[in-house]
Amino acid sequence: DAGITQSPRHKVTETGTPVTLRCHQTENHRYMYWYRQDPGHGLRLIHYSYGVKDTDKGEVSDGYSVSRSKTEDFLLTLESATSSQTSVYFCATEAGPTDTQYFGPGTRLTVL
Amino acid sequence: GQQLNQSPQSMFIQEGEDVSMNCTSSSIFNTWLWYKQDPGEGPVLLIALYKAGELTSNGRLTAQFGITRKDSFLNISASIPSDVGIYFCAGPPGAQKLVFGQGTRLTINP
Repeated sequence: DAGITQSPRHKVTETGTPVTLRCHQTENHRYMYWYRQDPGHGLRLIHYSYGVKDTDKGEVSDGYSVSRSKTEDFLLTLESATSSQTSVYFCATEAGPTDTQYFGPGTRLTVL
Repeated sequence: GQQLNQSPQSMFIQEGEDVSMNCTSSSIFNTWLWYKQDPGEGPVLLIALYKAGELTSNGRLTAQFGITRKDSFLNISASIPSDVGIYFCAGPPGAQKLVFGQGTRLTINP
C-alpha cells in the first residue's frame, strides 16, 4: 500500500463542465500516472509525471490536462467534459523507473 | 504502439477448479507483470517476471515468462471465492508507459 488517495471517489457531471480529479500520495514517489479503465480496454495511460512540473502524454491524452506542483499531488483536469470521458480513473505511483506501480482506489466519473 | 492480447476475456468456473490465462504481445518484453483487481479497488501486483523462461509462484498462483518473450501465462490452482476479480497482464515496466491487457474477469461458482 503506497498511501494513495483519490478524490472524489464518485462524480456525476454534465457535458461541457470542467472537472478536476485529485491524486495524493504520501510515499514521496517520483513518478505518478493517470489511467482510465473502460470495459474491453483494460487500463489506458492518459498522462504521467516524472517529477514536479514534468509531465508527458500517454496513449489517450486528448481532452485531458494534468498538473503537478508538488511531489505528493497529481491533478487530472477535463476542461470540458464529454460523455466519452465517462469512465473509472485510476492514479498510480512508482518510486523509480524500474519499480512497481501502486494504484489508488479509483474515481468513477459519469458525464451526462 | 504496443498491444497486449489477453485471453480469455472471462471465465466462469466452479470453486476448486484450476484456472489458466495468457497474454501475448506484439513486441518483445523484458519483463511481464500480473495484476489483480478486486471489485471497486485498484489493481494490485501479484507476480513480476524478469527473465525468459522464468517460472514464478506466489502461493496458489504460478506465472511463466514465455521463451519467445512475447507471451506470459498465469495459472491459479484450486480456486477459492476470494480469487474472484479481474486479472491483468502488463509490461514492460520502467518505460513510464506501462501497457495493460484487456483483462480476464474470473467468476467462481461456489
